[in-house]
Amino acid sequence: DTEVTQTPKHLVMGMTNKKSLKCEQHMGHRAMYWYKQKAKKPPELMFVYSYEKLSINESVPSRFSPECPNSSLLNLHLHALQPEDSALYLCASSQIESGRYEQFFGPGTRLTVL
Amino acid sequence: KNEVEQSPQNLTAQEGEFITINCSYSVGISALHWLQQHPGGGIVSLFMLSSGKKKHGRLIATINIQEKHSSLHITASHPRDSAVYICAVGSSSGTSYGKLTFGQGTILTVHP
Repeated sequence: DTEVTQTPKHLVMGMTNKKSLKCEQHMGHRAMYWYKQKAKKPPELMFVYSYEKLSINESVPSRFSPECPNSSLLNLHLHALQPEDSALYLCASSQIESGRYEQFFGPGTRLTVL
Repeated sequence: KNEVEQSPQNLTAQEGEFITINCSYSVGISALHWLQQHPGGGIVSLFMLSSGKKKHGRLIATINIQEKHSSLHITASHPRDSAVYICAVGSSSGTSYGKLTFGQGTILTVHP
């Protein structure tokens, strides 16, 4: 199984809502990543988890809260988002946290904040 | 100047043409990645290389570490190759070990 799954595929939320994005992989990878991608731009790294511990936080606003409950699962909790947070949110995983290892990407969650 | 520069930004080709996309970088790297993204879709890793040349089907990727340059070639291009191709480099820095730095992407359109 070389798949990274993400749910939901699409999400529309108001600025006062609380919602969560979910990412799952069963490849035994010990590094997992959250990226944000705006239209016609490359992905921007948000967070990296290595062995279920937060390794990199790219100065992301606290309205985005990541969580890694176990080695297969990565969540991104959303609260009080702004319309400019509307984007494609991509999850990825790799064998370990290293640029020498291939990253496997999920299909993404298309988020719209009203 | 971006740490990873791709050219061209946009590329239009006729089916069957040989295509080259270039990537230059200015930082020390652990590896270079070529990624493909179809419209509205997720990202697929095509190649990861740290030296030499790799080939998968009609796709060939090369890297010259001394010149800090990589190329992605597509032979006998097909409309299904239409996508955004992204070059990304893995950091060799201990503090950003898992981080990829992305180029701006090349939008490829192949017409039948």
